[in-house]
Amino acid sequence: DIQMTQSPSTLSASVGDRVTITCRASQSISSWLAWYQQKPGKAPKVMIYKASSLESGVPSRFSGSGSGTEFTLTISSLQPDDFATYYCQQYHSSWTFGQGTKVEIK
Amino acid sequence: QVQLVESGGGVVQPGRSLRLSCAASGFTFSSYGMQWVRQGPGKGLEWVAVIWYDGGNYYADSVKGRFTISRDNSRNTLYLQMNSLRAEDTAVYYCARISGGDSGSYFDYWGRGNLVTVSS
Repeated sequence: DIQMTQSPSTLSASVGDRVTITCRASQSISSWLAWYQQKPGKAPKVMIYKASSLESGVPSRFSGSGSGTEFTLTISSLQPDDFATYYCQQYHSSWTFGQGTKVEIK
Repeated sequence: QVQLVESGGGVVQPGRSLRLSCAASGFTFSSYGMQWVRQGPGKGLEWVAVIWYDGGNYYADSVKGRFTISRDNSRNTLYLQMNSLRAEDTAVYYCARISGGDSGSYFDYWGRGNLVTVSS
C-alpha cells in the first residue's frame, strides 16, 4: 500500500502569509495527487487535482506542484476563509490520504 | 447541480448491521464510479470502498468481508451494507463521486456525511 505523509501537522499563520504544505508518497505516484480542504463539520472539497491543476472555482492563490514522491500545496496570500485542514490524496493505486495539516490562526 | 445525500446512519450495537444510502442527482449516475470514505471522531479521512460504473468493486482491508458496496442505477442510489460492526467503525461516512475524464480518479463531489456510532 502507498503511504502518504504530510508536514507539518499543524501550521500557525497570519492573514496575508505565504503558506506551504508538503506531502510525500512512499513510492512514485507520478502526478496522481489531489489536495482537499476540510472545514469543521463539513465535507472535504477538492482544491487541486493531478498535482497542479486548479479545480474550477478555486481561488488562484492556491497552487500545487511536484511529481513522483514529493508534492507541495501553496497558498500565496492566506485569507480568513483558508483556515482549515488540508489533506493530500494519492490515486495512483487505490486511494490513500495523508494525515492532514491544520492551518490555524497565529 | 450535483448533489449527494447520505442517509441511514445512527447508533448500532457491536456485531449488528446497518445500511447506508446515498441519493445522487444532477448528473448521469450510471456513468460514474462512486466511493465511500469515512472519518473517525477527530481523525483523518479513510477510503472505504469503490464501485465502478460497471459494478466492479474494491474494498479497504479494514472492511473487507464485512462491508458490501452496491448501486441501483435505476434509483440513482449508492449503498453501503455494513455487517459485524465494530467500535472502530464509528465515523462520519461520506459518499463521493469519482471524477471522469483523463485527470484520474480523484473525488470531485462529496455528500455532507452521515454519522454511524457503534456502541453498546
